Amino acid sequence: GNSVTQMEGPVTLSEEAFLTINCTYTATGYPSLFWYVQYPGEGLQLLLKATKADDKGSNKGFEATYRKETTSFHLEKGSVQVSDSAVYFCALSFNDMRFGAGTRLTVKP
Amino acid sequence: GAVVSQHPSWVICKSGTSVKIECRSLDFQATTMFWYRQFPKQSLMLMATSNEGSKATYEQGVEKDKFLINHASLTLSTLTVTSAHPEDSSFYICSATNPQGPIIYNEQFFGPGTRLTVL
Repeated sequence: GNSVTQMEGPVTLSEEAFLTINCTYTATGYPSLFWYVQYPGEGLQLLLKATKADDKGSNKGFEATYRKETTSFHLEKGSVQVSDSAVYFCALSFNDMRFGAGTRLTVKP
Repeated sequence: GAVVSQHPSWVICKSGTSVKIECRSLDFQATTMFWYRQFPKQSLMLMATSNEGSKATYEQGVEKDKFLINHASLTLSTLTVTSAHPEDSSFYICSATNPQGPIIYNEQFFGPGTRLTVL
């Protein structure tokens, strides 16, 4: 079945550091891929998405490229801020939506 | 656009009582809504898929008699946790798809979640 494997956390970075959170997927068809962010006590917010191979999703300095050849959708940001501290979920959607385990990011000043 | 709300945002109840959680699509009609639960520091687990006017489809291992789902209108789905017990304490999140949006995106729009604590 469809599934998502996400880099285990937690991840702790200093402000302005480079961020990468790895995400790989397994799917029988051609899913859409998403990154969601969850702040403490809140629901999920869509961060970015990509719907086909080689698409690059971007938002708020975050980027992720849909790589069909490596079945990956790694999240990157060049310079993180304290306000980026949250839990990040990679997800794929085909007939339904499947989530990765989530990666908790803490950014220290 | 594509805003989903949930009510209540948090609820505390006694063991053995029933709790109803509402999920509303505010600016679109949602033929399909989804219910997830999330335990602390864990990912979202799909509980059931709710289609307007028909019975919900439950994921394996989810008790349909315990988690009653009603999707009576195109903008409202409800989840009732019957005879709640402490192990039902969790964060419940609903989502909806917008059939008038780009279907190829398969995108779901999420509500803010409801935290249930059963004493």
